[in-house]
Amino acid sequence: AQSVSQHNHHVILSEAASLELGCNYSYGGTVNLFWYVQYPGQHLQLLLKYFSGDPLVKGIKGFEAEFIKSKFSFNLRKPSVQWSDTAEYFCAVNPGDSNYQLIWGAGTKLIIKP
Amino acid sequence: GAGVSQSPRYKVAKRGQDVALRCDPISGHVSLFWYQQALGQGPEFLTYFQNEAQLDKSGLPSDRFFAERPEGSVSTLKIQRTQQEDSAVYLCASSPRQGVDEQFFGPGTRLTVL
Repeated sequence: AQSVSQHNHHVILSEAASLELGCNYSYGGTVNLFWYVQYPGQHLQLLLKYFSGDPLVKGIKGFEAEFIKSKFSFNLRKPSVQWSDTAEYFCAVNPGDSNYQLIWGAGTKLIIKP
Repeated sequence: GAGVSQSPRYKVAKRGQDVALRCDPISGHVSLFWYQQALGQGPEFLTYFQNEAQLDKSGLPSDRFFAERPEGSVSTLKIQRTQQEDSAVYLCASSPRQGVDEQFFGPGTRLTVL
């Protein structure tokens, strides 16, 4: 079965630290890739997406992600985190043979210490 | 404009009761998705509507689950004869286009079955 793995369920960082959250998937064909974020008390919202083209994708709030096809990975990065980045982050994959289904990772809870 | 809304926000049901969960998508959005999110997990796809047509219901866990979107706007997810394993947050999302793209999520309905 297709799956999405987010390796860290909880991450705690200090402000200004660099962030990398891992995401790996198990589908061998064409994929569309997403990172969503849920801030405390808010709805899930899109952070960034990759459909094709440049594998380095930039999103909102200084986040970026790199698609490495050979590693089946789509890791999320930010060079310097802020306290306001405290949230839960979800990676989601659309296998290319489905027009709309998303397979989601279990999420990573990120806590930034001020 | 208004985002996606869901009601009720919280629902407690006794095992065996029927429940109905409502989703009001963003006006004009073509696509509507229902997800089930268990505690500590990512969302799991339940069903997809394109306007009033239910194009995929492969994620519905049993025939006790039923969804409709009769006029292509408001959608209702109905669960008959609720079981404890149905306890979860039910998320609704809408999108302005067909297929995979940014989804706009509602706040979810937290269902607890006693």
